[in-house]
Amino acid sequence: QSALTQPASVSGSPGQSITISCTGTSSDVGGYNYVSWYQQHPGKAPKLMIYDVSNRPSGVSNRFSGSKSGNTASLTISGLQAEDEADYYCSSYTSSTTYVFGTGTKVTVL
Amino acid sequence: EVQLVESGGGLVQPGGSLRLSCAASGFTFSSYWMHWVRQAPGKGLVWVSRINTDGSSTSYADSVKGRFTISRDNGKNTLYLQMNSLRAEDTAVYYCARAGTYKMEYWGQGTLVTVSS
Repeated sequence: QSALTQPASVSGSPGQSITISCTGTSSDVGGYNYVSWYQQHPGKAPKLMIYDVSNRPSGVSNRFSGSKSGNTASLTISGLQAEDEADYYCSSYTSSTTYVFGTGTKVTVL
Repeated sequence: EVQLVESGGGLVQPGGSLRLSCAASGFTFSSYWMHWVRQAPGKGLVWVSRINTDGSSTSYADSVKGRFTISRDNGKNTLYLQMNSLRAEDTAVYYCARAGTYKMEYWGQGTLVTVSS
């Protein structure tokens, strides 16, 4: 199972919006509405930010939103804040009843 | 409060074995599927394995199939990962995670496994 493709890095100024893409295939991202997004600060455990493409867990800021079109899912962070600087990973359920993560994106707040 | 605490990591020689544990508290462990996810130093997350509530159904990444075994003891609220025939490329921080429906809701802090001679 190949990793989902994400841009290595995305940056933005405080207050701006950024979008991270996550491209897979019809056997994972495109085949199911089971895409999740995780935030990971250095040296810390990942944290669930979005599940089922566009749902936010309780406690996650509404500045984070998700969407999907075909084989590509996206995470948008609006009103970028310094605390959003972290690595972000997408993940999808697959037709093999396994899971696959994306390659990861480093978000930098300028 | 959901807590997941991994243990059992350490230095092991290539070809060796190690068993990781994940002690769960703050929720009804027997009601949740569980995952193992790993992260090599400086690299991204990689899904390893998952197990259903009673241990009767498991799934593995191709890279560990036949070498790793996931199991659980609901009486002890503990998840396990038995790792055999370890290779240098298995070096990573191993996280356990509580599953929600098609998502990993809560994560432990991880335990480091280093495979080296």
